[in-house]
Amino acid sequence: GAGVSQSPSNKVTEKGKDVELRCDPISGHTALYWYRQRLGQGLEFLIYFQGNSAPDKSGLPSDRFSAERTGESVSTLTIQRTQQEDSAVYLCASSLFGSNEQFFGPGTRLTVL
Amino acid sequence: AQSVTQPDIHITVSEGASLELRCNYSYGATPYLFWYVQSPGQGLQLLLKYFSGDTLVQGIKGFEAEFKRSQSSFNLRKPSVHWSDAAEYFCAVLAGYSTLTFGKGTMLLVSP
Repeated sequence: GAGVSQSPSNKVTEKGKDVELRCDPISGHTALYWYRQRLGQGLEFLIYFQGNSAPDKSGLPSDRFSAERTGESVSTLTIQRTQQEDSAVYLCASSLFGSNEQFFGPGTRLTVL
Repeated sequence: AQSVTQPDIHITVSEGASLELRCNYSYGATPYLFWYVQSPGQGLQLLLKYFSGDTLVQGIKGFEAEFKRSQSSFNLRKPSVHWSDAAEYFCAVLAGYSTLTFGKGTMLLVSP
Protein backbone atom coordinates (compact mmCIF):
# COMPACT_ATOMS: atom_id res chain seq x y z
CA GLY A 1 0.00 0.00 0.00
CA ALA A 2 0.94 3.64 -0.27
CA GLY A 3 3.18 5.16 2.32
CA VAL A 4 3.04 8.61 3.85
CA SER A 5 3.08 11.28 1.17
CA GLN A 6 3.93 14.96 1.49
CA SER A 7 3.56 17.91 -0.82
CA PRO A 8 5.18 19.90 -2.13
CA SER A 9 8.55 18.17 -2.08
CA ASN A 10 10.28 21.54 -2.29
CA LYS A 11 9.07 25.02 -1.49
CA VAL A 12 10.94 28.26 -1.92
CA THR A 13 9.32 31.35 -0.47
CA GLU A 14 10.17 34.90 0.43
CA LYS A 15 10.52 36.07 3.99
CA GLY A 16 7.19 37.23 5.37
CA LYS A 17 5.02 35.02 3.16
CA ASP A 18 2.75 32.28 4.48
CA VAL A 19 3.24 28.64 3.44
CA GLU A 20 1.14 25.49 3.71
CA LEU A 21 2.63 22.02 3.80
CA ARG A 22 0.50 18.95 3.27
CA CYS A 23 0.71 15.43 4.66
CA ASP A 24 -1.31 12.37 3.61
CA PRO A 25 -0.87 9.62 6.19
CA ILE A 26 -1.14 5.91 5.60
CA SER A 27 -4.78 4.90 5.38
CA GLY A 28 -6.05 3.68 8.73
CA HIS A 29 -3.33 5.37 10.76
CA THR A 30 -5.00 7.39 13.48
CA ALA A 31 -1.86 9.12 14.74
CA LEU A 32 -0.03 11.81 12.77
CA TYR A 33 3.13 13.71 13.69
CA TRP A 34 5.02 16.68 12.32
CA TYR A 35 8.75 17.09 12.82
CA ARG A 36 11.26 19.70 11.68
CA GLN A 37 14.80 18.87 10.61
CA ARG A 38 17.16 21.82 10.37
CA LEU A 39 20.53 21.48 8.72
CA GLY A 40 22.91 19.46 10.86
CA GLN A 41 20.25 18.83 13.48
CA GLY A 42 18.15 15.91 14.50
CA LEU A 43 14.42 15.96 14.16
CA GLU A 44 12.44 18.27 16.40
CA PHE A 45 8.91 17.31 17.34
CA LEU A 46 6.33 19.93 16.38
CA ILE A 47 2.80 18.57 16.84
CA TYR A 48 0.93 15.28 17.30
CA PHE A 49 -2.63 14.33 16.36
CA GLN A 50 -4.37 11.22 17.68
CA GLY A 51 -7.83 10.54 16.34
CA ASN A 52 -10.31 13.16 17.47
CA SER A 53 -8.40 14.09 20.61
CA ALA A 54 -7.00 17.56 21.11
CA PRO A 55 -3.58 17.74 19.43
CA ASP A 56 -0.35 17.96 21.38
CA LYS A 57 1.08 21.28 20.24
CA SER A 58 3.89 21.41 22.76
CA GLY A 59 6.62 21.37 20.11
CA LEU A 60 5.44 24.30 18.01
CA PRO A 61 8.23 26.90 18.18
CA SER A 62 6.05 30.01 17.89
CA ASP A 63 2.49 31.15 17.28
CA ARG A 64 3.37 31.54 13.60
CA PHE A 65 3.13 27.76 13.35
CA SER A 66 -0.20 25.95 13.29
CA ALA A 67 -1.53 22.65 12.02
CA GLU A 68 -4.88 21.11 11.29
CA ARG A 69 -6.07 17.64 10.59
CA THR A 70 -9.36 16.62 9.06
CA GLY A 71 -10.58 13.56 10.91
CA GLU A 72 -8.03 10.81 10.46
CA SER A 73 -6.79 11.93 7.07
CA VAL A 74 -4.89 14.82 5.61
CA SER A 75 -3.00 17.31 7.74
CA THR A 76 -1.78 20.78 6.85
CA LEU A 77 1.06 22.58 8.59
CA THR A 78 0.89 26.34 8.14
CA ILE A 79 3.73 28.75 8.80
CA GLN A 80 2.75 32.41 8.77
CA ARG A 81 5.11 35.30 8.11
CA THR A 82 7.99 32.95 7.36
CA GLN A 83 11.48 33.77 8.63
CA GLN A 84 14.82 32.55 7.34
CA GLU A 85 15.25 30.36 10.41
CA ASP A 86 12.16 28.43 9.32
CA SER A 87 14.21 26.94 6.47
CA ALA A 88 14.29 23.21 7.12
CA VAL A 89 12.91 19.87 6.01
CA TYR A 90 9.48 19.26 7.46
CA LEU A 91 8.72 15.60 7.98
CA CYS A 92 5.38 13.99 8.61
CA ALA A 93 4.87 10.56 10.13
CA SER A 94 1.87 8.39 10.93
CA SER A 95 1.20 5.33 13.04
CA LEU A 96 -1.55 2.94 13.99
CA PHE A 97 -3.37 3.54 17.25
CA GLY A 98 -1.40 1.92 20.09
CA SER A 99 1.67 1.31 17.94
CA ASN A 100 5.02 2.92 18.68
CA GLU A 101 6.29 2.54 15.13
CA GLN A 102 6.09 5.71 13.10
CA PHE A 103 6.23 5.68 9.31
CA PHE A 104 7.79 8.76 7.77
CA GLY A 105 7.09 10.61 4.58
CA PRO A 106 9.86 11.97 2.30
CA GLY A 107 9.54 15.48 3.71
CA THR A 108 9.08 18.97 2.33
CA ARG A 109 12.23 21.06 1.97
CA LEU A 110 11.34 24.67 2.79
CA THR A 111 13.71 27.46 1.84
CA VAL A 112 12.96 30.99 3.01
CA LEU A 113 14.88 33.65 1.11
CA ALA B 1 13.70 15.64 30.15
CA GLN B 2 14.73 12.94 27.76
CA SER B 3 17.68 13.38 25.42
CA VAL B 4 19.72 11.39 22.91
CA THR B 5 23.41 11.88 22.16
CA GLN B 6 25.15 10.62 19.08
CA PRO B 7 28.76 11.62 19.69
CA ASP B 8 30.00 11.01 16.16
CA ILE B 9 28.88 13.49 13.52
CA HIS B 10 30.68 11.65 10.70
CA ILE B 11 32.15 8.17 10.44
CA THR B 12 34.06 6.72 7.49
CA VAL B 13 34.28 2.95 7.14
CA SER B 14 35.84 0.85 4.44
CA GLU B 15 33.50 -1.37 2.50
CA GLY B 16 33.45 -4.81 4.10
CA ALA B 17 34.63 -3.54 7.47
CA SER B 18 32.55 -3.68 10.63
CA LEU B 19 30.54 -0.71 11.88
CA GLU B 20 29.47 0.56 15.27
CA LEU B 21 27.47 3.78 15.69
CA ARG B 22 27.15 5.09 19.21
CA CYS B 23 24.01 6.29 20.93
CA ASN B 24 23.52 7.35 24.53
CA TYR B 25 20.19 8.31 25.97
CA SER B 26 18.83 10.00 29.04
CA TYR B 27 15.38 8.97 30.16
CA GLY B 28 13.89 8.39 33.59
CA ALA B 29 11.91 5.26 32.87
CA THR B 30 12.50 2.15 30.82
CA PRO B 31 13.19 3.49 27.38
CA TYR B 32 11.77 2.53 24.05
CA LEU B 33 14.66 2.97 21.62
CA PHE B 34 14.86 3.17 17.85
CA TRP B 35 17.37 3.46 15.06
CA TYR B 36 16.34 5.09 11.79
CA VAL B 37 18.25 5.54 8.53
CA GLN B 38 17.81 8.44 6.14
CA SER B 39 19.16 8.27 2.61
CA PRO B 40 19.54 11.51 0.62
CA GLY B 41 16.16 12.94 -0.32
CA GLN B 42 14.33 10.18 1.50
CA GLY B 43 12.25 9.99 4.62
CA LEU B 44 13.34 8.00 7.63
CA GLN B 45 13.23 4.22 7.55
CA LEU B 46 13.08 2.20 10.74
CA LEU B 47 16.03 -0.16 11.11
CA LEU B 48 15.17 -1.69 14.47
CA LYS B 49 13.61 -0.99 17.84
CA TYR B 50 13.93 -2.07 21.45
CA PHE B 51 10.98 -2.19 23.83
CA SER B 52 11.82 -4.93 26.31
CA GLY B 53 13.17 -8.46 26.56
CA ASP B 54 16.32 -9.55 24.79
CA THR B 55 18.82 -6.71 24.87
CA LEU B 56 20.28 -7.63 21.49
CA VAL B 57 17.82 -6.76 18.75
CA GLN B 58 18.04 -7.63 15.11
CA GLY B 59 16.87 -5.29 12.39
CA ILE B 60 16.66 -5.01 8.65
CA LYS B 61 19.61 -4.86 6.25
CA GLY B 62 21.82 -6.91 8.58
CA PHE B 63 21.89 -4.35 11.40
CA GLU B 64 21.69 -5.13 15.09
CA ALA B 65 21.78 -3.05 18.26
CA GLU B 66 22.46 -3.82 21.89
CA PHE B 67 20.69 -2.12 24.79
CA LYS B 68 22.95 -1.63 27.82
CA ARG B 69 21.04 -0.13 30.71
CA SER B 70 24.17 0.31 32.86
CA GLN B 71 25.75 2.47 30.16
CA SER B 72 22.53 4.11 28.94
CA SER B 73 23.57 3.07 25.47
CA PHE B 74 21.97 1.58 22.39
CA ASN B 75 24.77 1.18 19.84
CA LEU B 76 24.09 0.11 16.29
CA ARG B 77 26.32 -2.49 14.66
CA LYS B 78 26.84 -4.24 11.36
CA PRO B 79 29.54 -6.86 10.77
CA SER B 80 30.26 -5.96 7.13
CA VAL B 81 29.33 -2.61 5.60
CA HIS B 82 28.16 -2.27 2.01
CA TRP B 83 28.48 0.88 -0.11
CA SER B 84 24.68 1.16 -0.11
CA ASP B 85 24.76 1.66 3.68
CA ALA B 86 26.11 5.19 3.21
CA ALA B 87 23.42 7.40 4.74
CA GLU B 88 22.59 9.31 7.90
CA TYR B 89 21.60 7.34 10.97
CA PHE B 90 19.43 8.60 13.79
CA CYS B 91 18.92 7.16 17.23
CA ALA B 92 15.67 8.05 19.01
CA VAL B 93 13.92 7.48 22.31
CA LEU B 94 10.18 7.41 22.77
CA ALA B 95 9.17 10.25 25.06
CA GLY B 96 5.93 10.08 26.95
CA TYR B 97 3.21 8.29 25.07
CA SER B 98 4.18 8.81 21.50
CA THR B 99 6.63 11.50 20.47
CA LEU B 100 10.18 10.65 19.51
CA THR B 101 13.25 12.52 20.69
CA PHE B 102 16.06 12.19 18.17
CA GLY B 103 19.81 12.51 18.30
CA LYS B 104 21.51 14.82 15.82
CA GLY B 105 22.49 11.96 13.58
CA THR B 106 25.67 10.28 12.38
CA MET B 107 26.62 10.49 8.74
CA LEU B 108 28.15 7.23 7.52
CA LEU B 109 30.55 7.40 4.61
CA VAL B 110 31.72 4.17 2.99
CA SER B 111 35.07 4.13 1.24
CA PRO B 112 35.97 1.61 -1.46
